[in-house]
Amino acid sequence: DVQLVQSGGGLVQPGGSLRLSCAASGFTFSNFWMTWVRQAPGKGLEWVANIKEDGSETYYVDSQTGRFTISRDNAKNSVYLQMNSLRSEDTGVYFCARDIDCSSGTCYRRPYDLWGQGTMVIVSS
Amino acid sequence: DIVMTQSPDTLAVSPGERATLSCRASQSFGNNLAWYQQKPGQAPRLLIYGASTRATGIPARFSGSGSGTEFTLTITSLESEDVATYYCQQYNMWPPITFGQGTRLEIK
Repeated sequence: DVQLVQSGGGLVQPGGSLRLSCAASGFTFSNFWMTWVRQAPGKGLEWVANIKEDGSETYYVDSQTGRFTISRDNAKNSVYLQMNSLRSEDTGVYFCARDIDCSSGTCYRRPYDLWGQGTMVIVSS
Repeated sequence: DIVMTQSPDTLAVSPGERATLSCRASQSFGNNLAWYQQKPGQAPRLLIYGASTRATGIPARFSGSGSGTEFTLTITSLESEDVATYYCQQYNMWPPITFGQGTRLEIK
């Protein structure tokens, strides 16, 4: 099956760190950029970061630059989000999603047709 | 950043009637516009991409239209299973990718 399975998350104190993982299967992971999107409780969707298919480029929403780091391991078909200096406003559900497609050698912008199941992050003392 | 604004925030429609959801962009970005459906406790589901192309497995009662800065998602003949929150997204000019704030669709 084509799927993304997330792990990590949980309860962490303000100022703490957490690492989220997203394991891909059923498609050629190394052909796709990957993205993290988050959703605060009762709020809308917010794009957080994405990473190039080979890991050579990363981009972040301005508010997260420096605290969050996206990375990937193509040998393990996995993408990660390392979150440091966590704040209460980082509380929410975090989703990974499949992004830009570079399967043909030319990369195409695409919508997010494949999402992980989401993982809850709670930042609280 | 491109700001996406959806209207209305909440929409109540009777079963079998038409639902029209709007999405306006702060600037033109082409037609890389997607619509997602999200039900409580679930990940978003892609409905429409390229402003008007239905994603795989999406019923024909869902359609998208628009260009420039004005886009519309139409659900003809609303069914109870369509109760959800709907988000538009521009995926052409980034970073950042931006989403609308969502429209909550209810059954009247």
